[in-house]
Parts: sequence; C-alpha cells; structure tokens
Amino acid sequence: DQQVKQNSPSLSVQEGRISILNCDYTNSMFDYFLWYKKYPAEGPTFLISISSIKDKNEDGRFTVFLNKSAKHLSLHIVPSQPGDSAVYFCAVLNYGGSQGNLIFGKGTKLSVKP
Amino acid sequence: DGGITQSPKYLFRKEGQNVTLSCEQNLNHDAMYWYRQDPGQGLRLIYYSQIVNDFQKGDIAEGYSVSREKKESFPLTVTSAQKNPTAFYLCASSIGQGLSTGELFFGEGSRLTVL
Repeated sequence: DQQVKQNSPSLSVQEGRISILNCDYTNSMFDYFLWYKKYPAEGPTFLISISSIKDKNEDGRFTVFLNKSAKHLSLHIVPSQPGDSAVYFCAVLNYGGSQGNLIFGKGTKLSVKP
Repeated sequence: DGGITQSPKYLFRKEGQNVTLSCEQNLNHDAMYWYRQDPGQGLRLIYYSQIVNDFQKGDIAEGYSVSREKKESFPLTVTSAQKNPTAFYLCASSIGQGLSTGELFFGEGSRLTVL
C-alpha cells in the first residue's frame, strides 16, 4: 500500500507558465516533506523541503505548499524553464519511523516546452 | 570536489553471478544508503549504515549484502539470490547518523543488467 502517491506520471507545461506537481500521503505523523529532481541516468538532487509545522516554503522559483488536513503536498515552479524538465519525486520523512527510511513517491515527469 | 562516486556506471551480469557495486564518498558523512529504482517506480531502500561497522536492512534487502569497513565506502553486492536484479542502483549519504531533515546526497547511479 503506497504511503506516498504522485498520481500524475507526467506533466507538460509551456515555458514561462506555472508547473504544479502534486503529492498525497497517508500518514498524518510524517514530519518532513521533500522534493527531489532527477535527470535521466543521474542521481536525484535535493530541491526543496518543508517541515510539518509550516504550510509554505519558498526558494526562488520553487515553492512547496503543505496542506496537512488534506494530507497533500504540492510543488509550484514559476516561471517554468526548459531546464526544469526532469522527474520530480516527492518524499516524506517520519522521525518516529526507521532512521534510514525516506519514503519516495513514484515520480512525475515534467516536460517544459519552449 | 566533494561528492559521491559510484562505479561502474553500467554493468552486465550473467544469471547466477554475484556482482559488487562500489560507492565512495568524500563528504565526511556518517550515514550511507543504497536505493534501487525500477522504471515508473519510486526509490526503494535496500540497506543503510549510520556508522562504520554497522548497517541495517531496508525494505528490500533480500538478495543483497553490504559492508561498511570504512566511513568513505559502502559497497553493495547483488547476489545470485536476488530474483530480479536488473535495475538502476543509487548510493546516497547524509550528514549525521540519522535523517534529521531528509536531505540525501546521491551518486550518479549504476545500471545493472542481467543477461
């Protein structure tokens, strides 16, 4: 049973417009939420995170929103650029769980068209 | 430059053979991890190690083995007992002995194909 769900396998957006990537989770006890970005044949790189005590975190063109009541996380990229084309993984961390386990969603492939 | 180096980048193996994937880091991180990625799937944890000479099983440890004799090195052996070993393998590290913020630093990955 998936604890972290990214229901859209892919998303296509025009350059300059907003990209919105979504993630749903099942456990209200998760403590930290992260987004990773991955290019083909490379390892993922950390993008942005948010603690469960906050509802928004912004870093340049990237903003993460957390809706705890809906158990929903979203990543907004504005304006989108062709270099943003990659697979984006949502991940959650539970301090009460295994020290080693960051739980990942299946990813959403974002394509930003010029 | 500091980072995580995985080798080889591509590896082919015949069925029934063991193979070892190398992971070296010069970030002075305490914790190291091995993940597996399959097409259309998220990353799944195989093994992790928080300190030298200690490691723990992750969600899918069966058919794999690891060692942590040095802080910098965390090799993964894919044994013949692993029923579906063809995958993209990712090594990662984190500052400290636990995932306080969830930020992992990943290597570039090793793609293993079983013929």
